[in-house]
Amino acid sequence: AQKITQTQPGMFVQEKEAVTLDCTYDTSDQSYGLFWYKQPSSGEMIFLIYQGSYDEQNATEGRYSLNFQKARKSANLVISASQLGDSAMYFCAMRDRLTGGGNKLTFGTGTQLKVEL
Amino acid sequence: GAVVSQHPSRVICKSGTSVKIECRSLDFQATTMFWYRQFPKQSLMLMATSNEGSKATYEQGVEKDKFLINHASLTLSTLTVTSAHPEDSSFYICSASIPAGKTGELFFGEGSRLTVL
Repeated sequence: AQKITQTQPGMFVQEKEAVTLDCTYDTSDQSYGLFWYKQPSSGEMIFLIYQGSYDEQNATEGRYSLNFQKARKSANLVISASQLGDSAMYFCAMRDRLTGGGNKLTFGTGTQLKVEL
Repeated sequence: GAVVSQHPSRVICKSGTSVKIECRSLDFQATTMFWYRQFPKQSLMLMATSNEGSKATYEQGVEKDKFLINHASLTLSTLTVTSAHPEDSSFYICSASIPAGKTGELFFGEGSRLTVL
């Protein structure tokens, strides 16, 4: 069974600074995918970034980058130049197979990020 | 991009009544949809996988007769909470994936907040 661990229940960062949200995972599968989602207070889940287990390069999407260290089984999210609108709950999630239809996600417990002036 | 829509976004009902929540994929066909439940300040827990044209697959501990799932078409899945009780109050959120070949993100609905009085 897959397991996602987010050890930071809450984080504070000053506006314009960078912040790293930690995520470690455990799986016996060789092929898997890792996701980060943002959930503002409205409740919607906003996709941020995806990393496949066989991707050689770390994923990047605008101000978001994923620090993927496969041997350590970690997939930390880095948000650069934080903005007030980044304040939200952030979830790390894993999909255990990449074949068609296999998009069931296991979520971590989340990190509540607060961006301050 | 792909959009998943959920309705209603908020519902308040009396104990003992049944509530139906709809999840629609608006611009793509979703052979598989997923239903999650989220308690306040907690993570998303997968309840069931909804497969078009066949029975849903429920996660361990989820009552099939309590949470009825119907996936009658490639664009619509419904979750019916039968004989709702206050402990069923929660945030329910659906997601959908594009069929085989797409390894990117899942698309989430806006979520439905159920309050049972």
